[in-house]
Amino acid sequence: NAGVTQTPKFQVLKTGQSMTLQCAQDMNHEYMSWYRQDPGMGLRLIHYSVGAGITDQGEVPNGYNVSRSTTEDFPLRLLSAAPSQTSVYFCASSYHTPTGFSGTEAFFGQGTRLTVV
Amino acid sequence: DAKTTQPPSMDCAEGRAANLPCNHSTISGNEYVYWYRQIHSQGPQYIIHGLKNNETNEMASLIITEDRKSSTLILPHATLRDTAVYYCIVRGLIQGAQKLVFGQGTRLTINP
Repeated sequence: NAGVTQTPKFQVLKTGQSMTLQCAQDMNHEYMSWYRQDPGMGLRLIHYSVGAGITDQGEVPNGYNVSRSTTEDFPLRLLSAAPSQTSVYFCASSYHTPTGFSGTEAFFGQGTRLTVV
Repeated sequence: DAKTTQPPSMDCAEGRAANLPCNHSTISGNEYVYWYRQIHSQGPQYIIHGLKNNETNEMASLIITEDRKSSTLILPHATLRDTAVYYCIVRGLIQGAQKLVFGQGTRLTINP
């Protein structure tokens, strides 16, 4: 049971390049999310998904695309990288639990540190 | 989700209890209080959550006031490894954890 796995851990891009940040979870969680964290700040939600085939925008979605073709994977795509997208990116997953007290917490990956020059 | 207010930083001596406060005066009746922590830019880690009763697990205790407008996370015997940023988050249980709203959190430093 690996939990939430993010790849790569580090990446340097040139302005205008595109890339995909990978996120995979093996806990059969319905919910998955992408956050970014800038220096000295809390995490901000980029996009999220409540199940395969369903995605929605978070607080800061511009410049990012997502898709959810399987329960396990939730990739984040940067179409044309900009220096303002230099950040640490975290993926998270959680259960959908309409009832019950337990199992409602989110599990986070270890992050991808992205620098756009 | 209700807004939370936390002190930006706190210090605590190793071996002592660390008490981290959180104000959430606009919390609604069906919203829970969750605590996460982030150690040195790692991914946030869930600690504990509660509705109105005090809760305890192997990591910490959560004390929620009777009017539910504030809460305190207690690390009973803080160690150097507890140095981290602690986030207090209020949200409804049913809506799920896919849209967490993180504030600035409290940077807790455990001193030897």
